[in-house]
Amino acid sequence: KNEVEQSPQNLTAQEGEFITINCSYSVGISALHWLQQHPGGGIVSLFMLSSGKKKHGRLIATINIQEKHSSLHITASHPRDSAVYICAVTGGTSYGKLTFGQGTILTVHP
Amino acid sequence: EPEVTQTPSHQVTQMGQEVILRCVPISNHLYFYWYRQILGQKVEFLVSFYNNEISEKSEIFDDQFSVERPDGSNFTLKIRSTKLEDSAMYFCASSEYRGDEQFFGPGTRLTVL
Repeated sequence: KNEVEQSPQNLTAQEGEFITINCSYSVGISALHWLQQHPGGGIVSLFMLSSGKKKHGRLIATINIQEKHSSLHITASHPRDSAVYICAVTGGTSYGKLTFGQGTILTVHP
Repeated sequence: EPEVTQTPSHQVTQMGQEVILRCVPISNHLYFYWYRQILGQKVEFLVSFYNNEISEKSEIFDDQFSVERPDGSNFTLKIRSTKLEDSAMYFCASSEYRGDEQFFGPGTRLTVL
């Protein structure tokens, strides 16, 4: 059974700051997903990665398979980035079942 | 842009009643999932469905739960006899390929009184 841990649990930043959220998992995976959950509850997929690095706008996700660790970075943070960021993993033998971390609550103040 | 839809957005029911939560996945997707999130807790996997059968299920998904794809578009989760602890947000998701990016619906908030 894979355990997914995120840190920090809560993060407060000022607009413009560079933000890093970390995720570690205990067992080998086929892919790691970063998701965003807004206050209304909806979940949106940000990235799916199995190696290296991906970038989309101000968001960057990296993964180190050997270390079983991933980071999500937000450059030039903005109040609209305030949300819960969730790390989730899929195992190699599963049909795509996601195992979720507990989420990081990000608040960006103007 | 194609999206996953769920109905109803909020369902209130009495303990012991049956509920059916409905989802319409993205039309060309083949893999379907139900997840739930109890208030304040992490999202948990319930069941995955492919080729008209359950491919994987969690310990939570006991005999009280069932899933069905009654036609070419809908994907339903039925809870036969609801308990207080079934109160949660239920998310449907779909993906085109196994292990691919999943697209989530907006969720159904189930409240069991």
